[in-house]
Formats: sequence, structure tokens, C-alpha cells
Amino acid sequence: SQQGEEDPQALSIQEGENATMNCSYKTSINNLQWYRQNSGRGLVHLILIRSNEREKHSGRLRVTLDTSKKSSSLLITASRAADTASYFCATDGEYGNKLVFGAGTILRVKS
Amino acid sequence: SQTIHQWPATLVQPVGSPLSLECTVEGTSNPNLYWYRQAAGRGLQLLFYSVGIGQISSEVPQNLSASRPQDRQFILSSKKLLLSDSGFYLCAWSAYDTQYFGPGTRLTVL
Repeated sequence: SQQGEEDPQALSIQEGENATMNCSYKTSINNLQWYRQNSGRGLVHLILIRSNEREKHSGRLRVTLDTSKKSSSLLITASRAADTASYFCATDGEYGNKLVFGAGTILRVKS
Repeated sequence: SQTIHQWPATLVQPVGSPLSLECTVEGTSNPNLYWYRQAAGRGLQLLFYSVGIGQISSEVPQNLSASRPQDRQFILSSKKLLLSDSGFYLCAWSAYDTQYFGPGTRLTVL
């Protein structure tokens, strides 16, 4: 069963707008990660946030984590057409060195 | 730097034929290795993972098997493919918490 569930399933925005994707999970975690997948390609690691962190930034990416609500959000600011991809959250927790991925959010950025 | 290779990139196989997908990692030692399958428009399903040579953990009962004959080599196999084995197969390695993915193999079983 999936640990992380992303919301929305699909998102379409104009270039320059911000994109927000959410992830909810069920059990306790040590860390939560976000990955990007361009169509037909492997996944690329974006950012990792640990359970004792509340917010993390990397370039135009901002990730928040609320362990009390078992949820995380990924914000991409000033989106570009090249940001068009699927975005997945992944959690570990009780699974140790294994990650469990959600179904992903498909982001389309229109130029 | 570390790199991960998968081949072939695409594969079309008839039902009942055997399968062998290979994954190799360069630039790291004793990595954890993983095989995932991704159905169209879906998330990743963990199939197998390995923490060392000859050590394989299976996550989902199925028609597939995995082997790790060398430290940085991970092989996914099947003796007889089913239609339901079609999908995008991804290999990944990790040293700590982050996983790094290969380019994937698209398998179509006809």
C-alpha cells in the first residue's frame, strides 16, 4: 500500500505562477523526500526534509513538513515550462532503508 | 561521481519468453540496490531490494526474481513473462537516505 498520497493528481498553471503540491502519509517517518520525473525518464531527487525540520529551501523549491498532520507540501515558485514533470513524495519511517512512493502529481507549466 | 546504468532502454517481448534486465552502479561501494516497477501514470512499486551480494528481499509475490552477483550489479529476471509484467522498470541505489535512479527500461509484453 502507498504511504504517501499526493494532491492534486494533476495541476496546470501558466509560466511564472507558483505551483503547490501536497503529500499526506500514514505512519511515523524519519524523513520525507520529493522527486521529479520527466516523461519516460528516471526519477531525480529534489529535496529531503527530516522529521525534526519544518521547512527547507533549495533554489525555487520550498518544502514544508507538518508531522502532527502527517503532511508535506512542495512549492515551486516562478514556474518555468521546464518544470513540467511528475512530482512524487516518498517516505521511509517504519520501512527503514526502503522508500514508499505516492502516485504523484502531474504538473504542466504552459508557456 | 556515481552513475547508474540500465539496459536495455526498451524491450518488446512475447508472453512466455524469459527476461533479464541489468543494472550497474559505478563510483560507489556496497550500495543498497532497488528494483521498482511503474505502471503508466502511476507511482512506483518496490519489487526487490538488496543490501549486499546475494542478499535479496522480495516485496511483492510475483513472476519476477532478482539477483546480485556482484557488489554493483543487480539483475531482474523472469522465466516466463506475463502480459501484466509490462511497465517501466527502474533501478536505484542508495548510500544513506536518498535514492538515485537509473534511466529505466520500458518493457512491453505482447
